[in-house]
Amino acid sequence: GNSVTQMEGPVTLSEEAFLTINCTYTATGYPSLFWYVQYPGEGLQLLLKATKADDKGSNKGFEATYRKETTSFHLEKGSVQVSDSAVYFCALTEYSSASKIIFGSGTRLSIRP
Amino acid sequence: DTEVTQTPKHLVMGMTNKKSLKCEQHMGHRAMYWYKQKAKKPPELMFVYSYEKLSINESVPSRFSPECPNSSLLNLHLHALQPEDSALYLCASSQEPLNDNQPQHFGDGTRLSIL
Repeated sequence: GNSVTQMEGPVTLSEEAFLTINCTYTATGYPSLFWYVQYPGEGLQLLLKATKADDKGSNKGFEATYRKETTSFHLEKGSVQVSDSAVYFCALTEYSSASKIIFGSGTRLSIRP
Repeated sequence: DTEVTQTPKHLVMGMTNKKSLKCEQHMGHRAMYWYKQKAKKPPELMFVYSYEKLSINESVPSRFSPECPNSSLLNLHLHALQPEDSALYLCASSQEPLNDNQPQHFGDGTRLSIL
């Protein structure tokens, strides 16, 4: 079955540090891949997406590239800010079950001033 | 600001009470979802409505009863809940039910506490 594995948290970084949150997936077909972010006390927001191999999703300085050969979709940001503190979920959907999002377990990110 | 609006934001109820959670979207989306999220966990899908018809029920106990009165509204009726049902309940919508390229748009949730 389909699944998403992302790195265990929490991750604590200093402001302006480089961020990588690893995400790998298992899928039977050709999934679409997403990163969602959940700020404290809020619901999930779409951060970025990629729908086919080699696509790069980007938003608010975050980037992730759909790597079919390594089945990965790692999230990166060059210089994090305190306001980036949140929980980040890697996720996939696939046409055969498009109504169902498969979420990773979530990675809590804390940024120190 | 989220485009999916959920009310109330917080709800405390006893195990014998009946209450309802409400969700509204005006983006013309034809799929709507209910999720349950426990602390430090990802959301778990409960129900999916496609074109106002229930299409997926993830074996949710009957004490949770969804309703979709029209294409913009989604309700979750609660009755005789248990303490383990305390959680954040998230509503979401997406443009088309079977389009896997479309993201889901989430509300900020209702934080439910069962006494």
